[in-house]
Amino acid sequence: KAGVTQTPRYLIKTRGQQVTLSCSPISGHRSVSWYQQTPGQGLQFLFEYFSETQRNKGNFPGRFSGRQFSNSRSEMNVSTLELGDSALYLCASSLDTGGTEAFFGQGTRLTVV
Amino acid sequence: AQTVTQSQPEMSVQEAETVTLSCTYDTSENNYYLFWYKQPPSRQMILVIRQEAYKQQNATENRFSVNFQKAAKSFSLKISDSQLGDTAMYFCAFMKQANSKLTFGKGITLSVRP
Repeated sequence: KAGVTQTPRYLIKTRGQQVTLSCSPISGHRSVSWYQQTPGQGLQFLFEYFSETQRNKGNFPGRFSGRQFSNSRSEMNVSTLELGDSALYLCASSLDTGGTEAFFGQGTRLTVV
Repeated sequence: AQTVTQSQPEMSVQEAETVTLSCTYDTSENNYYLFWYKQPPSRQMILVIRQEAYKQQNATENRFSVNFQKAAKSFSLKISDSQLGDTAMYFCAFMKQANSKLTFGKGITLSVRP
């Protein structure tokens, strides 16, 4: 069974640009969550999508957005990039929402210069 | 809002010995889940162990076990017979029932010495 796939693995962008990250969950999983990991703030929840609907949202500015497609694949978008957006972005997929095990991808390392 | 606290930033243990990683949390919820995740240098977060708050029995998974004290809001992880492959960052995490959002602690870096 294929795991959670995140693409790309590494990304370098310039301040002011926008970026789109992709996450393909485990087959059959309907919930996809996104997290930002930085040395200073640790792991912070961005949002969760379940059956194409955003169910939960963390405390991030509107520059961070996401969506989920009918095949459960998810994308997150960050517009007007800032240096502080440099982070490891992790995607987690779950069979269902609430309490079930979350399986994480290897993350996308975003560097904003 | 929930908070998860891991007060030890780093720990070191000799191979084959036992180590305990501490975690405390704060919540007003009665039904929730607690997790320990491992993040090796490869960056992939791997679930180590899971505990349902309504279960009094402490969860165990092979060499990994927890000491769950609900009243004290404490959730420590014991690793027995430590192996070199256990070297990683370990995160304690909280999840409300019927909610997929994980709230993580800051993590602890565990080094296993040969």
